[in-house]
Amino acid sequence: DSGVTQTPKHLITATGQRVTLRCSPRSGDLSVYWYQQSLDQGLQFLIHYYNGEERAKGNILERFSAQQFPDLHSELNLSSLELGDSALYFCASSGMKAVGAGELFFGEGSRLTVL
Amino acid sequence: EDQVTQSPEALRLQEGESSSLNCSYTVSGLRGLFWYRQDPGKGPEFLFTLYSAGEEKEKERLKATLTKKESFLHITAPKPEDSATYLCAVQARSSGNTGKLIFGQGTTLQVKP
Repeated sequence: DSGVTQTPKHLITATGQRVTLRCSPRSGDLSVYWYQQSLDQGLQFLIHYYNGEERAKGNILERFSAQQFPDLHSELNLSSLELGDSALYFCASSGMKAVGAGELFFGEGSRLTVL
Repeated sequence: EDQVTQSPEALRLQEGESSSLNCSYTVSGLRGLFWYRQDPGKGPEFLFTLYSAGEEKEKERLKATLTKKESFLHITAPKPEDSATYLCAVQARSSGNTGKLIFGQGTTLQVKP
């Protein structure tokens, strides 16, 4: 158990809909990262938040947005969903000393299926 | 463009049969190279960090090495519980102090008893 909690574990929705994925980092970790894993693209970096502020963005679609709240949990919002958005979405966290160090603790992921 | 290529895509070994997984990378200034293990239905689990050519790290039956162009994950006398997908990732200096990692597609290892 990494200590990172993600909900929901599974989500099935229709094209055009909007969903919110939630992540609680390990206790005390200030950094939260979101990654997307699909069969053809592998693990792709989406976004990094540190203590409530956006630190870095990857190839995140404009239809996707994220935020980190004062209690450090984070949400990833996906809107106008398309079939190609079906994937595993992982949240990871790291501690203050390891911020940006690449030693990330991943949650078990949220599997999104868009029909 | 920063890129990570792992080979082979899949590897089947008999228990006790040692082998190596390869990770070739192209990055504009390496900040760090990382190995992760991912079990089916789980998130990646951190294994090693390597920072400079010549560096080696060991953990149980696993040993990771780094050159200027590639990294190897050596598995000595593997056991069935070593079966998993092994992911290699790099962090470029241009990423600064962020958690932006570039992952390879992974090598799926199956160890048969």
